[in-house]
Amino acid sequence: SQKIEQNSEALNIQEGKTATLTCNYTNYSPAYLQWYRQDPGRGPVFLLLIRENEKEKRKERLKVTFDTTLKQSLFHITASQPADSATYLCAPEQTGANNLFFGTGTRLTVIP
Amino acid sequence: NAGVTQTPKFQVLKTGQSMTLQCAQDMNHNSMYWYRQDPGMGLRLIYYSASEGTTDKGEVPNGYNVSRLNKREFSLRLESAAPSQTSVYFCASSEENTGHQPQHFGDGTRLSIL
Repeated sequence: SQKIEQNSEALNIQEGKTATLTCNYTNYSPAYLQWYRQDPGRGPVFLLLIRENEKEKRKERLKVTFDTTLKQSLFHITASQPADSATYLCAPEQTGANNLFFGTGTRLTVIP
Repeated sequence: NAGVTQTPKFQVLKTGQSMTLQCAQDMNHNSMYWYRQDPGMGLRLIYYSASEGTTDKGEVPNGYNVSRLNKREFSLRLESAAPSQTSVYFCASSEENTGHQPQHFGDGTRLSIL
């Protein structure tokens, strides 16, 4: 069955450093993968989408990579700020369906 | 800029009671979704509506029914609530039902079944 794993439930980093979050998927090959941010008590908010034929996508301080051989996506936040503290969800497209399959998320805390 | 609006925000029910969760979007999106989010489980798709007039089961449909009332509104009904349905419920919408369309979420309904 399709499975998604996001590295460690929680990640703490110092302000100004680069945060790297990992999303691994098994037993399928999504054509698209999305990343979302979720703040406590709020719904997820879309950040970035990457296609299987794209190695890397950038948006301001955010960068996403997609390695279809390793079956892994990395999400980077450079020059991190306390305001970046949130839970980040990866969501590959489900095989055989047009829906997304969400990971459990990584809770990032940026320490001033 | 309302986006996706869910009502109510909080609800407590007794086992066996019924309830309808309401969702409306003002972005003229074709597709709408209902998810539940439980600790350690991530977001799981309950039902979705790829377009007005159609609904389909997701990963965890048992115990739920949905209605796509019109293009704007998509409701989720619990006919006989059970404690296992205690969760946070999110409604989302997207332009089309494809993996390359971002989904826009409401802020959820926190439902407790006693």
